[in-house]
Amino acid sequence: NAGVTQTPKFHILKIGQSMTLQCTQDMNHNYMYWYRQDPGMGLKLIYYSVGAGITDKGEVPNGYNVSRSTTEDFPLRLELAAPSQTSVYFCASSYSGGSNYGYTFGSGTRLTVV
Amino acid sequence: AQTVTQSQPEMSVQEAETVTLSCTYDTSESDYYLFWYKQPPSRQMILVIRQEAYKQQNATENRFSVNFQKAAKSFSLKISDSQLGDAAMYFCAYRGRGTSYGKLTFGQGTILTVHP
Repeated sequence: NAGVTQTPKFHILKIGQSMTLQCTQDMNHNYMYWYRQDPGMGLKLIYYSVGAGITDKGEVPNGYNVSRSTTEDFPLRLELAAPSQTSVYFCASSYSGGSNYGYTFGSGTRLTVV
Repeated sequence: AQTVTQSQPEMSVQEAETVTLSCTYDTSESDYYLFWYKQPPSRQMILVIRQEAYKQQNATENRFSVNFQKAAKSFSLKISDSQLGDAAMYFCAYRGRGTSYGKLTFGQGTILTVHP
């Protein structure tokens, strides 16, 4: 049981380039989330999805896009990367929105935009 | 909107001693969950303990326990018999049970250092 898998683990991106951070889970969770963590700060929600075909913005969605074509996959797209997007990105999943079991987190992607 | 505040950016403790990390939150919801997550240098987010707001009894997981004061909106984490492996960043998090779609709201984190 792999849980939540994120790729890549590290990446350096040039300003103006685009890339996709991959996230897949094998637990049949309906709810999936993308968070970013800036140095010395807590995690902030970028986008979330409550099921295949349904996505919505979180607290800091600007500069990002997501899609959810299957239950398992929830990729995060960065368009026209900017230095402000340098961060650690976490994908997470949950069985339901009302679950008391918190999230299952991926191991994170450290992204540097130069 | 819900907010979570951790007022201690850094804490330190001697090995085998006890330390308490503070967390306060603000919400208008009556039913919710609270969590403490541990983030070691590996970056992995590890669930330490959880508390359901409707339960008056404080949650306990081995050396970790919480002091949940619903009226005061306070949720502190006590680590007993601290070990070197407890050194990490600790995050307090809130999750509403209503229409917030399970979104977690995190505090800013507390860096815990354990001295041998």
